[in-house]
Amino acid sequence: AQTVTQSQPEMSVQEAETVTLSCTYDTSESDYYLFWYKQPPSRQMILVIRQEAYKQQNATENRFSVNFQKAAKSFSLKISDSQLGDAAMYFCAYRSADQGGSEKLVFGKGTKLTVNP
Amino acid sequence: KAGVTQTPRYLIKTRGQQVTLSCSPISGHRSVSWYQQTPGQGLQFLFEYFSETQRNKGNFPGRFSGRQFSNSRSEMNVSTLELGDSALYLCASSLRLGQPQHFGDGTRLSIL
Repeated sequence: AQTVTQSQPEMSVQEAETVTLSCTYDTSESDYYLFWYKQPPSRQMILVIRQEAYKQQNATENRFSVNFQKAAKSFSLKISDSQLGDAAMYFCAYRSADQGGSEKLVFGKGTKLTVNP
Repeated sequence: KAGVTQTPRYLIKTRGQQVTLSCSPISGHRSVSWYQQTPGQGLQFLFEYFSETQRNKGNFPGRFSGRQFSNSRSEMNVSTLELGDSALYLCASSLRLGQPQHFGDGTRLSIL
């Protein structure tokens, strides 16, 4: 079974600074997807960024980028120019890419990010 | 375009009762998944549906069930409620299998 580990229960960053959230995963599959979701106090899970395992290029979405190290099974999220609105719980998630496979997401325990003004 | 809609937002029940939660996916989305979120266990997969068929089920007792209708709306039912069922229940939909999932705001279920 796949597992996702987020080793940092809490992180803080100063506004406008850069912060990196860590995520490692365990799988025997060769093809899969990795995601970072953000959950603010409003509760809605918001997709931040998505990475396909077969793509070597790291995904980027505006101020958000990932460092995907497939051999090390590591998938960290870098937030640049942090804003107060970035404060939230961040979840790393894994999903198999098998054809006809499950939509099931396996989540890490989350990292609570605080942004200080 | 309206997002994933979950109703109700809050629900209070007592032990032994049953409850039905509803999820309306984004228009055109045919895949719906359900998750339970608790402080202790985190986010756990409950089940997923595609075209009215349950494709996968998580490791939950038979008290947890669900279904999907022809319009892709989905319901989940929990019978004989226990204190440990108190949680945020999240629904997610995707356009088709393999596409990113979009989540609703969840239903907060409290068991007294």
